[in-house]
Amino acid sequence: DAGITQSPRHKVTETGTPVTLRCHQTENHRYMYWYRQDPGHGLRLIHYSYGVKDTDKGEVSDGYSVSRSKTEDFLLTLESATSSQTSVYFCAISEPRGSRDNEQFFGPGTRLTVL
Amino acid sequence: QKEVEQNSGPLSVPEGAIASLNCTYSDRVSQSFFWYRQYSGKSPELIMSIYSNGDKEDGRFTAQLNKASQYVSLLIRDSQPSDSATYLCAPNTGFQKLVFGTGTRLLVSP
Repeated sequence: DAGITQSPRHKVTETGTPVTLRCHQTENHRYMYWYRQDPGHGLRLIHYSYGVKDTDKGEVSDGYSVSRSKTEDFLLTLESATSSQTSVYFCAISEPRGSRDNEQFFGPGTRLTVL
Repeated sequence: QKEVEQNSGPLSVPEGAIASLNCTYSDRVSQSFFWYRQYSGKSPELIMSIYSNGDKEDGRFTAQLNKASQYVSLLIRDSQPSDSATYLCAPNTGFQKLVFGTGTRLLVSP
């Protein structure tokens, strides 16, 4: 998985609890992304980062926050988990070589269940 | 209209046949396109990228791009049962973000 790890790989939590997912890369790539994947919706971008402390929202960012204090780590936080956030979460990284390039490489994913 | 349209399938082909996977997109700004393969329960894996109109071949895979028609396709020659997976089309929006289709499920029967 191109030097990308995600932790935890599985988590079950209860509604209203905070949850933090971690993405760690060893590739020194500048861009990092968080997606969620749900049946019928495909992969949807939550947040992304284009450098340390530089982040921006994706199409489904409500209820999520992110932080990137080091190049290698990108954290996704659910401040107060809801059942609608039950999903599989993927982290991806990229290091564009030009304006058109955006080859993204994915981590193994985290399966989150909110009861 | 969805930004990226793919037939959900399943597309069933016999072993050894050519599988043709299609994708249309609505954003005329998109200049680059990516195909991912995703096995059930696994993460997406990049298999092809294409930036210019025409064909790009890599082994058994050929990506075809027609920007005027906003159409991109993936051909898999000599399909194998191990090619059975969901294939995701992803145009680059121009802001270093990909927009993914929901994918086409391919089944290759022995």
